[in-house]
Amino acid sequence: DQQVKQNSPSLSVQEGRISILNCDYTNSMFDYFLWYKKYPAEGPTFLISISSIKDKNEDGRFTVFLNKSAKHLSLHIVPSQPGDSAVYFCADSNAGGTSYGKLTFGQGTILTVHP
Amino acid sequence: KAGVTQTPRYLIKTRGQQVTLSCSPISGHRSVSWYQQTPGQGLQFLFEYFSETQRNKGNFPGRFSGRQFSNSRSEMNVSTLELGDSALYLCASSAGGSGANVLTFGAGSRLTVL
Repeated sequence: DQQVKQNSPSLSVQEGRISILNCDYTNSMFDYFLWYKKYPAEGPTFLISISSIKDKNEDGRFTVFLNKSAKHLSLHIVPSQPGDSAVYFCADSNAGGTSYGKLTFGQGTILTVHP
Repeated sequence: KAGVTQTPRYLIKTRGQQVTLSCSPISGHRSVSWYQQTPGQGLQFLFEYFSETQRNKGNFPGRFSGRQFSNSRSEMNVSTLELGDSALYLCASSAGGSGANVLTFGAGSRLTVL
């Protein structure tokens, strides 16, 4: 079974600087990784995904990097804004198999961006 | 376009009772998934329904069940509630096809079991 680990419970960054959120995984069999952001009292919101056949995907201020040899991915937010303060989850989607609707989530990292 | 709607948003039950939570997916989405979020276990997958059929199930006891109606609306039920069932229950919908399995989540139903 896939395990997805976010080893940093929290991260504090100054506004305008780069935020780097990290995620490690155990099983090389996956189709996509996704990043979600969650504010209190709201459901998670999809940010960006990366396919297993790529090593980078960009969308505006958000870039995800995938290092398959290290089984590691990271989300870069540049520049960070106070409104980015939230809990960030990485999630594995083995959509190619029978994992319909199933995402395996990491424990989350609380990002705080200070003005 | 309306998002995923979950009702009720908050509820309090006592041990041994049962609870039913409701989810209306985004219009046109045929897949509905349910997740449990707790501080200790994080976000865990409960089950997924597509066209009124359960296609996938997580590792939860049989007290947790669900169903989907012909209009894609879904309900989940927890019977014989235990204190450990206190959690945020999240519903998510998607088109249900192949691809990145991008789910759109509702705001959740916060269940407290006393």
